[in-house]
Amino acid sequence: AQKVTQAQTEISVVEKEDVTLDCVYETRDTTYYLFWYKQPPSGELVFLIRRNSFDEQNEISGRYSWNFQKSTSSFNFTITASQVVDSAVYFCALHYGGATNKLIFGTGTLLAVQP
Amino acid sequence: ETGVTQSPTHLIKTRGQQVTLRCSSQSGHNTVSWYQQALGQGPQFIFQYYREEENGRGNFPPRFSGLQFPNYSSELNVNALELDDSALYLCASSLVFGSGGMDTQYFGPGTRLTVL
Repeated sequence: AQKVTQAQTEISVVEKEDVTLDCVYETRDTTYYLFWYKQPPSGELVFLIRRNSFDEQNEISGRYSWNFQKSTSSFNFTITASQVVDSAVYFCALHYGGATNKLIFGTGTLLAVQP
Repeated sequence: ETGVTQSPTHLIKTRGQQVTLRCSSQSGHNTVSWYQQALGQGPQFIFQYYREEENGRGNFPPRFSGLQFPNYSSELNVNALELDDSALYLCASSLVFGSGGMDTQYFGPGTRLTVL
């Protein structure tokens, strides 16, 4: 079965702190893709990153970085020097090698960055 | 480049009624997927349309139906509304080559449906 688990329901940090959002996934497929989306209060899901199962290289984009470890089936997301604008719900999602381009989402982590 | 748009923004219906939600895909995209997001939950896949045909369906009853038009826009129709249908309905578009293809999905702002 395909599944995404985001164990952290809510995280609260003070501005400028670093924060890591955890994501653990389950799939039997060897080819799959992992995603992170940000959902601000407006509701729209904003695409942040896509990773395929053959590329375990970590990625950094500005204050954002992602750590993909197949050995532990994890794809964690770190925000360095958090800002109030980072406050949102963050979703990790899995696309596996099915015939449909569908995503399986975790339950999300609500990040609150206090000034 | 125009992003994904959805209409209406908000909608209030009563139990038993029917509703139609609309989505315009991002320019250059050919595939539309619909998701239901209940409060405090992650989005759940309803179905996807590719080349004007349903290309995969999640665990939703037949009263959830859809259409895709030649310009790749799409509609989600829900008949016999139930209280549990109250949710944010998200549309996502992508560019897929072949029915088994994969590409990043870009989401619209959603339609908030309330069923009373």
